[in-house]
Amino acid sequence: GIQVEQSPPDLILQEGANSTLRCNFSDSVNNLQWFHQNPWGQLINLFYIPSGTKQNGRLSATTVATERYSLLYISSSQTTDSGVYFCAAFLRGGSQGNLIFGKGTKLSVKP
Amino acid sequence: DSGVTQTPKHLITATGQRVTLRCSPRSGDLSVYWYQQSLDQGLQFLIQYYNGEERAKGNILERFSAQQFPDLHSELNLSSLELGDSALYFCASSVGDAWGGYGYTFGSGTRLTVV
Repeated sequence: GIQVEQSPPDLILQEGANSTLRCNFSDSVNNLQWFHQNPWGQLINLFYIPSGTKQNGRLSATTVATERYSLLYISSSQTTDSGVYFCAAFLRGGSQGNLIFGKGTKLSVKP
Repeated sequence: DSGVTQTPKHLITATGQRVTLRCSPRSGDLSVYWYQQSLDQGLQFLIQYYNGEERAKGNILERFSAQQFPDLHSELNLSSLELGDSALYFCASSVGDAWGGYGYTFGSGTRLTVV
């Protein structure tokens, strides 16, 4: 079954708006991470968040591991926030470090 | 600059050809991971090397191979290329051999176009 599932697939915002991106994950994965892929293709590690809440500027993330979901909040969005946001996790009990990625949420922030 | 260096940034080649993608991990990192990002398959793990040895294999085709050298740089070899191999190939590195956590860093990728 699908191990890491993201919603919505696409999101269009006006600059200044807030948004919430969701990631549901199966019990076969853990140690969730959020990445941003900018329009030039570069993957940036935003948060390593297996549980709890973290904040970095206008971005924050919350993972509720017992309910198997994570949320990424973007406040006061800017055009530079555009790109694709991925959540990814490691296979539970796995001895290797390869990530399982969701299909991503494509965010477009309009000026 | 993430510290993970991938070359070349862009590559255009014909079907049936063979190419080599190169990755230099971040200083101090012993693990190198290769990922493929295509429009239909998304981001998929291909293979991992740790300190010169193959550690894990994902959805890597038999036409593809990789190795990690004593200086820890890695090369991904793609042969008998098909149109469907066109994708963005990422390398990542981490300190340890299992779940990188904070120490998991991606390079900027090599965009391969097969014509």
